[in-house]
Amino acid sequence: DGGITQSPKYLFRKEGQNVTLSCEQNLNHDAMYWYRQDPGQGLRLIYYSQIVNDFQKGDIAEGYSVSREKKESFPLTVTSAQKNPTAFYLCASRKGQTPNEKLFFGSGTQLSVL
Amino acid sequence: DQQVKQNSPSLSVQEGRISILNCDYTNSMFDYFLWYKKYPAEGPTFLISISSIKDKNEDGRFTVFLNKSAKHLSLHIVPSQPGDSAVYFCAASGRNYGQNFVFGPGTRLSVLP
Repeated sequence: DGGITQSPKYLFRKEGQNVTLSCEQNLNHDAMYWYRQDPGQGLRLIYYSQIVNDFQKGDIAEGYSVSREKKESFPLTVTSAQKNPTAFYLCASRKGQTPNEKLFFGSGTQLSVL
Repeated sequence: DQQVKQNSPSLSVQEGRISILNCDYTNSMFDYFLWYKKYPAEGPTFLISISSIKDKNEDGRFTVFLNKSAKHLSLHIVPSQPGDSAVYFCAASGRNYGQNFVFGPGTRLSVLP
């Protein structure tokens, strides 16, 4: 079954700690995305990658970092510089970049601060 | 400033009745619109889309209407079922290659049995 796998489902971060959220897709999609969802807010774009070894900042990239060394994988690191990391994080992908290419989402990771 | 707005944070509807979820946008360059449905602790799933060359798109119980002059779209669910209870997100994109989607804040729909 093709899809997007995010792990872990729940993650706890201590003060000053970096944590990494995993995202793997086997849909052979070129583009991958990281969104953050906070209560009462829409999905806000953190980072995206249109092709391997390339990525761009989204609207709220501060305190986050990513890598795209393989087409299938797009891990997100939440650094200690992100002062309000508690949120639901969603990874998404899409095959191409034409406007009618819809996004496919993973099941999300809930990050909380201890 | 939010480019995509869903002004009703929540909506309750009786089972079997029509649910109407609204979405407004401010950017006249938006050309393609999608609705996603999200259950708690899960990722959103695609529901239905519409491009600006149409004013209506239908898929089973779901119909999306687009009014470009008013920069408004709506999702109609008829008849509503308890399994439709979820958060619904409206998303918009421009017509150019490589543009990202902008999401609204979502509307929580509760369908009461």
